[in-house]
Amino acid sequence: GAGVSQSPSNKVTEKGKDVELRCDPISGHTALYWYRQRLGQGLEFLIYFQGNSAPDKSGLPSDRFSAERTGESVSTLTIQRTQQEDSAVYLCASSFTPRLAGEHEQYFGPGTRLTVT
Amino acid sequence: LAKTTQPISMDSYEGQEVNITCSHNNIATNDYITWYQQFPSQGPRFIIQGYKTKVTNEVASLFIPADRKSSTLSLPRVSLSDTAVYYCLVGSSGSARQLTFGSGTQLTVLP
Repeated sequence: GAGVSQSPSNKVTEKGKDVELRCDPISGHTALYWYRQRLGQGLEFLIYFQGNSAPDKSGLPSDRFSAERTGESVSTLTIQRTQQEDSAVYLCASSFTPRLAGEHEQYFGPGTRLTVT
Repeated sequence: LAKTTQPISMDSYEGQEVNITCSHNNIATNDYITWYQQFPSQGPRFIIQGYKTKVTNEVASLFIPADRKSSTLSLPRVSLSDTAVYYCLVGSSGSARQLTFGSGTQLTVLP
């Protein structure tokens, strides 16, 4: 596709269940990011994949959160034993490898709205 | 970690020029300044990026003074469709964690 896609667009789950969110980046983009955005707030960085390098997991809020990426394509964000505080929109973005230090023009997907009841 | 400060909200009228300033006092040498626009229920969209002086593209201009401790996003002749949240982002490729989005500025364009 032309842009970053995410699925599902909406997910309602019960507290304690596991959920898996999917991101399809733009073809050719080596970098992939996951963010969390709570209602009315800014974006909170979660994890960053860059090519074959070890991912930067420094933003993951707890060990219930994990993410995988297959090569330079699809990524999945998994939240285990969901809590009500996990309710948010989860955004995925991708970008080309920065040509210069600091260049991070990210293309965002529409997000997955997660509601934990 | 470069922290950014922006006004929480701004109002403007159609056809006016809007300037949104972002403070980033502890910007690092390698950091770039990037602005994103976000509409409700959508992911942010890249607007413009710069390192120093002035950058202009088809939708906006970015002014960065010599000390780089602040930057100003300028939107010429805004329309109702420019109503959105605007985020200033400062960071480098050293660590993606440094790419921290603040709370943004809610711009409301009035008719």
